[in-house]
Amino acid sequence: AQSVTQLGSHVSVSEGALVLLRCNYSSSVPPYLFWYVQYPNQGLQLLLKYTSAATLVKGINGFEAEFKKSETSFHLTKPSAHMSDAAEYFCAVSSVYGQNFVFGPGTRLSVLP
Amino acid sequence: AAGVIQSPRHLIKEKRETATLKCYPIPRHDTVYWYQQGPGQDPQFLISFYEKMQSDKGSIPDRFSAQQFSDYHSELNMSSLELGDSALYFCASSQDREGTDTQYFGPGTRLTVL
Repeated sequence: AQSVTQLGSHVSVSEGALVLLRCNYSSSVPPYLFWYVQYPNQGLQLLLKYTSAATLVKGINGFEAEFKKSETSFHLTKPSAHMSDAAEYFCAVSSVYGQNFVFGPGTRLSVLP
Repeated sequence: AAGVIQSPRHLIKEKRETATLKCYPIPRHDTVYWYQQGPGQDPQFLISFYEKMQSDKGSIPDRFSAQQFSDYHSELNMSSLELGDSALYFCASSQDREGTDTQYFGPGTRLTVL
């Protein structure tokens, strides 16, 4: 069984500040990990993914995430927040054996001017 | 690049009616997934198909059924609709041969049950 937790349902940062969105997973098999972003009234857009290659993964829009097996974490970061980053962010886990995604509860990111 | 297409984008139905949602995967993708996202909730997996066969089943109510056709598009059929079925329904597709199971999501169909 797999599960995902995201600490903080709502995170607010100032424009230009560091963005840190936390994701911890539980998986009995080697995981694949993903971050998706959802803008209001839109679908889910893939930001980045970890699939057992490099542990530091770079995605679109300046986001990156680091897979830490010892901490079972896959936190999402961006050095400098932009107003356009305001959205809902979902962490998701799959597995190397090809299963459906299990999503975390999501974190709403607000960017303050 | 081509993306996942879902139709309709919005649908309004009354209780006890039926609804059919359609999903057209990215070309050459052979796996389709359906998710339900309630208001303020995370997406919940409903069902998936690989090469036109059901490959996995999640929290899909018995009132719902789905299938994947020879052209790989999929339809989610919902009967005896209830108020609680109001949600955003996402379809995603992946190319199983890719080996990473990255799922690419469509824009969703917003179903409102009155």
